[in-house]
Amino acid sequence: AQSVTQPDIHITVSEGASLELRCNYSYGATPYLFWYVQSPGQGLQLLLKYFSGDTLVQGIKGFEAEFKRSQSSFNLRKPSVHWSDAAEYFCAVAAIFFGNEKLTFGTGTRLTIIP
Amino acid sequence: DSGVTQTPKHLITATGQRVTLRCSPRSGDLSVYWYQQSLDQGLQFLIQYYNGEERAKGNILERFSAQQFPDLHSELNLSSLELGDSALYFCASSDDRGETQYFGPGTRLLVL
Repeated sequence: AQSVTQPDIHITVSEGASLELRCNYSYGATPYLFWYVQSPGQGLQLLLKYFSGDTLVQGIKGFEAEFKRSQSSFNLRKPSVHWSDAAEYFCAVAAIFFGNEKLTFGTGTRLTIIP
Repeated sequence: DSGVTQTPKHLITATGQRVTLRCSPRSGDLSVYWYQQSLDQGLQFLIQYYNGEERAKGNILERFSAQQFPDLHSELNLSSLELGDSALYFCASSDDRGETQYFGPGTRLLVL
């Protein structure tokens, strides 16, 4: 069974500073990996996804993530955060074969931005 | 806007009652997924329907059931509600390949 670990429950960064949110997954084969963002009172918005190919993937809002198979990681990065990036971020893994397309989510990382 | 709609946005009810949550997937998407987000359990997969048929089941209680109709909208029925059922319920949809799920805004259920 697949699983996801987000070791940081809460991260605080200054506006304009760089950001890295950690995600480690467990899955026997090549996983499908996702980052979603949830703003207060909002639904889940897809930031980016990795299926195969280039291990550095670009997403919306200036985010990128790097898939590292050797470390079973898929960390999310942004070079300069904006106050509007304050939200909860979820890493997720899926197997994507018939009958098992469910997403398994990590526990989330809450991002606070200070001026 | 993901294109997935959910109604109602908020629902307040009492223990023992039954409620129905509704989801309309993105145009053309055949798969609908239901997830529950609670403080103690986090985001958990409940059930998936594909073109009207149940395709996968997760941690869904026996008191909960779902169905997908011919027009592809889906309903999640929660019965004999308990305080612990208070949560945010998300619906998501995906296309035929099932590679990417797009989420609706959720229904916040409060059981008093």
